[in-house]
Amino acid sequence: QVQLQESGPGLVKPSETLSLTCTVSGGSITGYYWGWIRQPAGKGLEWIGRIYSSGTTNYNPSLKSRVTVSLDTSKNQFSLRLTSVTAADTAVYYCARAPLGVAGTASYFDFWGQGTLVTVSS
Amino acid sequence: QSALTQPASLSGSPGQSITISCTGTTSDVGDYNYVSWYQQHPGKAPKLMIYDVINRPSGVSNRFSGSKSGNTASLTISGLQAEDEADYYCSSYTSSSTPCVFGTGTKVTVL
Repeated sequence: QVQLQESGPGLVKPSETLSLTCTVSGGSITGYYWGWIRQPAGKGLEWIGRIYSSGTTNYNPSLKSRVTVSLDTSKNQFSLRLTSVTAADTAVYYCARAPLGVAGTASYFDFWGQGTLVTVSS
Repeated sequence: QSALTQPASLSGSPGQSITISCTGTTSDVGDYNYVSWYQQHPGKAPKLMIYDVINRPSGVSNRFSGSKSGNTASLTISGLQAEDEADYYCSSYTSSSTPCVFGTGTKVTVL
């Protein structure tokens, strides 16, 4: 059974960089998309970005200038960097796996991490 | 890319059926059979319930079923049970600059 676990600081100061890592166990990173999704308290899900095992990335245009998703296949990990954070970036951040599916659309996430709360505050 | 539209809340009694709608556009739901549904209990990660409009992952109860007509996808929960009380989110592949968009979410209450 594939398992994902997010890790990283729970508190980040405004204007600084949020960095999270997702460790994948029970399966290989190869052949899948790996994504980040966030959820502010009491609100809905927001798709942040994803990376394919080849290194191809896609980002939410609303965050694109501040987001980087990267991959370390040797460690079975992928990471999220979000620069210049504000209070609006306070949320639970989830990492998740997206199978390629039909036509390679990778349109759904079948395994999710438990989520990690990141608070932006001085 | 705007979020897909879902009713904010729905309720039903045990044993009843409820249907959650998810309305998009011809750039997402209407043009692709790549709609998925997630169940989220409080404090927990979302769980995949339906993918590619109608498919259930292994282990998901057959009380959950999906469908689509035009720009609107639907999730039906039959034989409602107390454990079905949760938030539900739809998602769709899109042809816009973001390959995936989520719905606004629906809180399901079992009376």
